[in-house]
Amino acid sequence: SAVISQKPSRDICQRGTSLTIQCQVDSQVTMMFWYRQQPGQSLTLIATANQGSEATYESGFVIDKFPISRPNLTFSTLTVSNMSPEDSSIYLCSTRQGGTDTQYFGPGTRLTVL
Amino acid sequence: SQQGEEDPQALSIQEGENATMNCSYKTSINNLQWYRQNSGRGLVHLILIRSNEREKHSGRLRVTLDTSKKSSSLLITASRAADTASYFCATDPGSGGSNYKLTFGKGTLLTVNP
Repeated sequence: SAVISQKPSRDICQRGTSLTIQCQVDSQVTMMFWYRQQPGQSLTLIATANQGSEATYESGFVIDKFPISRPNLTFSTLTVSNMSPEDSSIYLCSTRQGGTDTQYFGPGTRLTVL
Repeated sequence: SQQGEEDPQALSIQEGENATMNCSYKTSINNLQWYRQNSGRGLVHLILIRSNEREKHSGRLRVTLDTSKKSSSLLITASRAADTASYFCATDPGSGGSNYKLTFGKGTLLTVNP
């Protein structure tokens, strides 16, 4: 199974600032996904990040607010820009294991915006 | 939009009892995956069942899938206090326009009392 790590595991940030979350996979993968889980809610897909192309954003999410980088096949970053308290959530990255349909998730980044 | 809908939203049982959680969905799927989440941490993948499968087992877990009713169930037998967590189903449409994007249900919060 794919092993995914995320940094930071949690952070408390001030309104108006930005935070970059890193996601590292222990093997090369084509597709990486970023999800948001608001307090007490389920997971919502933010965007799909494929290496060598622009990220594809879901309805309600825009690049200016959530810029994503995918510099290689094992790494991706998600930035939460100009944060407000409504951005307080757990952010999770995910990937599909090569050759299977199983999707694995990182441990998540718990973000609190004051 | 949410594809999967789990019920019940919350379930409280005694240790040793069985727990059954249900998931319904709306559109065609390639597979359905069940996850566990402990206290707002990352998601742990439990089991994947494909659209052409009707039942799968993994240890104390049993998953069924009825594509005619667009529903799935997760049974945990002989539950333990350590099974206390939120359980989510996620539908995978496969390749094509939806490009492997998982859609999550709202989850069932399972509490196993010692």
